[in-house]
Amino acid sequence: EPEVTQTPSHQVTQMGQEVILRCVPISNHLYFYWYRQILGQKVEFLVSFYNNEISEKSEIFDDQFSVERPDGSNFTLKIRSTKLEDSAMYFCASIESSYNSPLHFGNGTRLTVT
Amino acid sequence: AQKVTQAQTEISVVEKEDVTLDCVYETRDTTYYLFWYKQPPSGELVFLIRRNSFDEQNEISGRYSWNFQKSTSSFNFTITASQVVDSAVYFCALSEANYGQNFVFGPGTRLSVLP
Repeated sequence: EPEVTQTPSHQVTQMGQEVILRCVPISNHLYFYWYRQILGQKVEFLVSFYNNEISEKSEIFDDQFSVERPDGSNFTLKIRSTKLEDSAMYFCASIESSYNSPLHFGNGTRLTVT
Repeated sequence: AQKVTQAQTEISVVEKEDVTLDCVYETRDTTYYLFWYKQPPSGELVFLIRRNSFDEQNEISGRYSWNFQKSTSSFNFTITASQVVDSAVYFCALSEANYGQNFVFGPGTRLSVLP
């Protein structure tokens, strides 16, 4: 069964550094998402992406964050200057068509900012 | 605004007991979908079920069953004869047809099944 893949599984970085989290969504899916889960807390929406542009973003997704689909297969989340509070599990997800499709999640990237 | 509430933060049961996880949602849309996801200790998010707003039929899948009631805006999840492997955090989620593409998750219920 096709799956969403995320790399790396764990990323440690120093405060102020830039990080790029990578995702390969399922190939025939059209909508892509990033969610964040601070340890032990709820799954929070960051951004959705469709047709090569952001379709929706949350208040969390400020100017420090950006997303890109550089080559038709990868979907990346960049955090420009990491803060301690960015430490979390970041999940990429994709769906086939629209709001009625279930989100297919990758296994997540655990980001630790020191 | 869309909102999902899971009032039970943590539940502990002994193996073979039945357990129901509650989910209450708020939406201004008439067309929406509800989902349940399981997050085992390994951390991944596993899709369990989807239900659309026009289909109030209850669903059973093995030991799992779901009760959707529009009158009370609830979509509850019951595990029958629980097993230790059911220990996980369970999230209820909502997506709307007409108010954006994001899926909103409830805060989750941590279920511990003790042997």
